Amino acid sequence: DGGITQSPKYLFRKEGQNVTLSCEQNLNHDAMYWYRQDPGQGLRLIYYSQIVNDFQKGDIAEGYSVSREKKESFPLTVTSAQKNPTAFYLCASSLGPSGGRTDTQYFGPGTRLTVL
Amino acid sequence: AQSVTQLDSQVPVFEEAPVELRCNYSSSVSVYLFWYVQYPNQGLQLLLKYLSGSTLVESINGFEAEFNKSQTSFHLRKPSVHISDTAEYFCAVSALRGKLIFGQGTELSVKP
Repeated sequence: DGGITQSPKYLFRKEGQNVTLSCEQNLNHDAMYWYRQDPGQGLRLIYYSQIVNDFQKGDIAEGYSVSREKKESFPLTVTSAQKNPTAFYLCASSLGPSGGRTDTQYFGPGTRLTVL
Repeated sequence: AQSVTQLDSQVPVFEEAPVELRCNYSSSVSVYLFWYVQYPNQGLQLLLKYLSGSTLVESINGFEAEFNKSQTSFHLRKPSVHISDTAEYFCAVSALRGKLIFGQGTELSVKP
């Protein structure tokens, strides 16, 4: 079955720690995205990547970092510089890579991060 | 620039009643619009999308949305809802480089 997997499903972090959220897809998509979801605020784009070894900041990139060393993987690190990291994090992918505006984005099941 | 406004944060409705979830957009480029559905603690699933052609688009589970350029709207409707339709619904507009701009979401709560 093709799809997007995210792990872990739940993650607890102490203040001052960095944590890495995993996102893997076997859809052979070029483009991948990370969103943050907070109640009543919809989804906000953190980072996106249209091709391997390239990525761009989204609207709320401060305190986050990413890498795109393989086509199927796009891990997100939440650093200690992120002041309010408790949220639901969603990874998505689309066909890409030309930034096709008609492409459907497919979402993973999400990771819920809680800072203790 | 693109933006999306979902006019209702919560919509309670009784089972078998009709429902409309409202979405208005603004876009400085050609418009591509999406509705996604999110069940509790899950990711988003595409419900339907408007790319071009007929302004009325339908999903496989009875939802439909109409693209109205003059009113800059893309409202989602269903003539008769079920308990299983209880979820959060997001409207989105396509921005440059494949990005999506999402509205704040509408919680649809279907009561028996």
